Amino acid sequence: AQKVTQAQTEISVVEKEDVTLDCVYETRDTTYYLFWYKQPPSGELVFLIRRNSFDEQNEISGRYSWNFQKSTSSFNFTITASQVVDSAVYFCALSEAWTGRRALTFGSGTRLQVQP
Amino acid sequence: SQTIHQWPATLVQPVGSPLSLECTVEGTSNPNLYWYRQAAGRGLQLLFYSVGIGQISSEVPQNLSASRPQDRQFILSSKKLLLSDSGFYLCAWSIGNTGELFFGEGSRLTVL
Repeated sequence: AQKVTQAQTEISVVEKEDVTLDCVYETRDTTYYLFWYKQPPSGELVFLIRRNSFDEQNEISGRYSWNFQKSTSSFNFTITASQVVDSAVYFCALSEAWTGRRALTFGSGTRLQVQP
Repeated sequence: SQTIHQWPATLVQPVGSPLSLECTVEGTSNPNLYWYRQAAGRGLQLLFYSVGIGQISSEVPQNLSASRPQDRQFILSSKKLLLSDSGFYLCAWSIGNTGELFFGEGSRLTVL
């Protein structure tokens, strides 16, 4: 069965610090997708990124970057020069591509607090 | 563009009362639809998903049920709420095989 582990329950940083959110996953599939979502205080989950299992290139989007390493089954998320608006709960998720279920398995989330 | 709405946004119900949460999607056809629950301070748990009208798959046995009477409408119900049903309920939709989900605004249910 698939599983996503986010060992960091809560992280607190001061504005402008860099912060990395860890995500480790388990799956038996060779084809799968990994995701990160942001949940601000309003509650709605906002999609940030999707990676497929065949693409291990790191991705950068502004202050956000993602490091996908198949060898360690990790998909870590780094925020550079954090800002107060980055304060939210961040979820890592996994989808196995060929199951009829077509649903995401989420980690338990990491609450990030950025202090001014 | 596609949008998803769910209501009510907030609900306070006594134990044993019924529940109905509604979710509608606009701007797409034949989406996969999902209900997730997020208990306080915890991750998201998949409750139900649907790949078509009248097709419902349940992930967790419980006193909740789901229905899909129309292509873009997904309803979460209960005949008698329990205290443990309190939580934040999120409806989501997806298209295709990548699994990428788009979420509604959420409905916060408190059972007293």
